[in-house]
Parts: sequence; C-alpha cells; structure tokens
Amino acid sequence: DTGVSQDPRHKITKRGQNVTFRCDPISEHNRLYWYRQTLGQGPEFLTYFQNEAQLEKSRLLSDRFSAERPKGSFSTLEIQRTEQGDSAMYLCASSPSGGRAYNEQFFGPGTRLTVL
Amino acid sequence: AQSVTQLGSHVSVSEGALVLLRCNYSSSVPPYLFWYVQYPNQGLQLLLKYTSAATLVKGINGFEAEFKKSETSFHLTKPSAHMSDAAEYFCAVNINQAGTALIFGKGTTLSVSS
Repeated sequence: DTGVSQDPRHKITKRGQNVTFRCDPISEHNRLYWYRQTLGQGPEFLTYFQNEAQLEKSRLLSDRFSAERPKGSFSTLEIQRTEQGDSAMYLCASSPSGGRAYNEQFFGPGTRLTVL
Repeated sequence: AQSVTQLGSHVSVSEGALVLLRCNYSSSVPPYLFWYVQYPNQGLQLLLKYTSAATLVKGINGFEAEFKKSETSFHLTKPSAHMSDAAEYFCAVNINQAGTALIFGKGTTLSVSS
C-alpha cells in the first residue's frame, strides 16, 4: 500500500494559463475525492468519483474546472484560465467501498498551486 | 446538512500538559466524526474516527475523543503533549452514505512549548 500520490507537489503559473493535476489513489479504492484548501481554512469538497463516474460536484467547481477519472484509476483535475483566487492546496483522497476502512478517506500530500 | 465548529483557532500548551481541542458538530442524521492532523505542506492524516460504535474512541499517537450526543461534541484530548504534536488539527463530519464528502472545520493550530 503506497498511499495516495499527487503530482506535481507544487505548481506556479501565471494568471490565464491552464494547469492540470494528477491523483493516483490507493489501488483497491474505487472512490476518489478532490478538495481545495485555502490558507487558514479546512479543506472544501470539490468533486467525487465512484469508479469512472463523477457522481457529485460542488458549486465551488466552476465551469473553468474539470475533473476526469478514465478507467476508474487515476484522476486529473484541470483548471482553465487560472485566476489568483485559484491559489490553494488541492487535495485528493480515496476510500474503499467496504471493509473496516469504509467511509474513511485517505489523503494525498496535495498539490500547492500559486497563480501569479 | 452537516457542519463543524472548532472553538479556538490556536491552542498553546507546554510539553507534558493536557491537550484539549474542541469540536462541535451539527447533523440532521447520525453523524460519522473524524479528527485529522496536518503537518506543514503535507496532506491530512487520520487520527481517529467515530462511526456509531463506542463513544470513546482511541486513535494514534495517544489521542482520543469522546462522542457526546447531548452536547453535539467530539473533543480531542491527549493526556501529555509532546513537541511532535505541534500541527494543525481538523475535525470533520459526514454521514453513513456512500461517497459523501467530509465537511471540515476551520482547524486548530496546536503549539507545544518546552
């Protein structure tokens, strides 16, 4: 069990550019979540996948944000036309569908985005 | 709908002193409750969780929390603080429904002095 991994760990971009982040969940976990955490705040939910299906999206996920999980494995989160307000830590989490860890979310190290 | 309030954005204790981090929740259905710890520039690590079994939950690193329905509280405690406990702590809530998102409090930063 190698845990949830995210790439890149840090991203600095200029306003208006597009960025894409990747999340690799724990291999046997079929549920995957994206959260955003701004300075001094707790993480806020963005979106949820069960296998390859995106089942829930927060109102925080504007039209500039899109997430995919092809084949139900890794997931990508893309932000188009970045704005300074997008600067945050983007966290990915995964959870199993059963067993003792049911409903427990395992978090990756996050991708810190800075928009200049 | 669920919500979490963490009282005190910053708590300072001396090494060896009792740690008490407060969390109150609101939920229209029986909640699941979690405490996570976050070290600088890292993701969140689960300390402990309450999922409707025992009301006193023991977690990692000597932490424990007690679910009190009458007080809608889930406070985190540790009898004796260690320097390595200095971090940010988040209380979170969700419900027993597949794929529900965690709702987090704003966090409490714990400082430990020698």
